[in-house]
Formats: sequence, C-alpha cells, structure tokens
Amino acid sequence: SYELTQPPSVSVSPGQTASISCSGDKLGAKYVCWYQQKPGQSPVLVIYQDTKRPSGIPERFSGSSSGNTATLTISGTQAMDEADYYCQTWDSSTSFYVFGTGTKVTVL
Amino acid sequence: EVQMLESGGGLAQPGGSLRLSCAASGFSFSNHAMSWVRQAPGKGLAWVSAVSVTGITTRTYYADSVKGRFTISRDNSKNTLFLQMNGLRAEDTAVYYCAKDRVVVPAALGYFQDWGQGTLVTVSP
Repeated sequence: SYELTQPPSVSVSPGQTASISCSGDKLGAKYVCWYQQKPGQSPVLVIYQDTKRPSGIPERFSGSSSGNTATLTISGTQAMDEADYYCQTWDSSTSFYVFGTGTKVTVL
Repeated sequence: EVQMLESGGGLAQPGGSLRLSCAASGFSFSNHAMSWVRQAPGKGLAWVSAVSVTGITTRTYYADSVKGRFTISRDNSKNTLFLQMNGLRAEDTAVYYCAKDRVVVPAALGYFQDWGQGTLVTVSP
C-alpha cells in the first residue's frame, strides 16, 4: 500500500521558518494537501493541490512538491501555529485516500 | 455555514455493531463525495471509507482494515451520511470524523474541505 512519511516533530523559534516534509513514491506526480490539527480540535485544511491556500488561511502557509517529496512551509511562525500537521494524497492504484504519519510542530 | 454533526458513537463490545450518522447542513450535500476518517487515541489520521455522489452508480471505497465489516451509505433526502460498523475490534477504537470532499467522486483532485467535530467509538469488553 502507498505510504506517506513525515518527520515526527519539528521545532521552530517564533518568527522563523518551519518546513515539514512528506515523502512518498513519485509523490510529485500526485496532488498533495495539508491539514492542521490543534489539540482537541478537528483538522483544518491549510493547503490543497500542492500549493493553493483556502480562503482564511494566512499567507505564511505555503506548499510545494517535486520528485518524491512535498513540503509545507510556515514563514514567520507564530505561537498559534503550534499543532500537528498531516499531508494527504490519493492513491489511484488502490482508490484510497492516504494520510501522512503526521508532524508535531513546536514553537519554542 | 458548513456544519457536520456526527452521532452514534459510544461503547461497544468486540464483535458488536454501531451505526454512526453525520448530519450535514450549509452546503449542497448531494453534490459532494463524503468520507469517514478516524483517529485512534494519541495517533494520526486514517481514512476509513468514502462514498461518491448518488448517480447511476454510487461508488463506495473502503480501507483494507475495515473492508467487509463496515458499510458507508448516504441519504441525500436527509443530508445524512452513515457508517454501519459490524464485527468491531479493539483497534477500531477512535474518534470518527465525517469529512466533506471537494469532488463528486473520490479521486486525485479530492481533498477534505470541511470536517465534523467527531464522535468517539470505544471497543472494549
């Protein structure tokens, strides 16, 4: 089955840039989206179709994808960005949606 | 405003059954594929099942872990999504979220625009 691998944790200082990777076989050929989940809350879509931001999502969130890796970048990270982040794609060979393993972002 | 309210969670014994519901409002329910996504305690998100819009062929999709035990369905007249869960196992213990897909049939362009608040399913003797 298709797998998406993320680093378990990323630490960042306030105002700095956080980069979260999501790796999968030929992932650059698939669309990737990203969700933010804060403790006790439901996930929120922050990036879709690799690079697009839904309305209401701050510009400091951006996405990119190439080769086997997609990346979520948070520029000028704020304390409110501390959360778990999940990548997600569609595996056409199995007709499954697939989530990444998740990354906990800590703002120190 | 899009709202999705899950219900039907609770405690079930191994081998037992539960039926989850997700009442949707604020959008054209019949025009969106819908999914169930679960999250075991302290764990990550896991897609469970999806259903396309109702048409000549309504397509359903299941993760390997639930295929043959869970059944997804929808009632467009009531704007409600269902998940019938049979043969429950301890590893099915999780918060179950319903999620609104951007597309009419789950596919590469799909993603979850909105999520409900979740309902907790606990499988224990």
